[in-house]
Amino acid sequence: DARVTQTPRHKVTEMGQEVTMRCQPILGHNTVFWYRQTMMQGLELLAYFRNRAPLDDSGMPKDRFSAEMPDATLATLKIQPSEPRDSAVYFCASGLGVSGNTIYFGEGSWLTVV
Amino acid sequence: QQPVQSPQAVILREGEDAVINCSSSKALYSVHWYRQKHGEAPVFLMILLKGGEQKGHEKISASFNEKKQQSSLYLTASQLSYSGTYFCGTESPNTGNQFYFGTGTSLTVIP
Repeated sequence: DARVTQTPRHKVTEMGQEVTMRCQPILGHNTVFWYRQTMMQGLELLAYFRNRAPLDDSGMPKDRFSAEMPDATLATLKIQPSEPRDSAVYFCASGLGVSGNTIYFGEGSWLTVV
Repeated sequence: QQPVQSPQAVILREGEDAVINCSSSKALYSVHWYRQKHGEAPVFLMILLKGGEQKGHEKISASFNEKKQQSSLYLTASQLSYSGTYFCGTESPNTGNQFYFGTGTSLTVIP
């Protein structure tokens, strides 16, 4: 049963700490997305990778957020330093990268910054 | 680039029908509909690729008007299990599978 795997599932951290979220896309998928979900903003696109190269990270606050794909089986989203307003659910999704194909979501990382 | 959904929320009694609309300011190649239960990830429902295309999934169907850059999701004879938040995801031509999601429509079905 192919699925997108995210870790950690839940994280509570203090303001100012570094947070790293990890994602393992579905094997064979070459596009990876990071979304942030809040009640107010819905699903916001933070970053988008194709074949490990970042194509669009315009939705990501550059001063504290960074996203990388060290290899085809791992995508990371890092927040340093974290702030209370970063509290949200962060979803990773992956797809085949072909127009018209859907994308599949991981179960999300629930982040609370206190 | 985020599509606009309406209504924001709707409450139905079992057996009633509902329509959720999704509108984009950009030309669309495809529209994807997802449903999200509280505390869970969005789950794919259906994809519409062609203008005017209509697809069905159980008693849930959708249409896509390419010219108007709009899609609608139709839920007929709603069941309690239909409760959740519905998102449309839009993909514009030549963007290589890049998705933007609407703000969601909260649907609550009551007995």
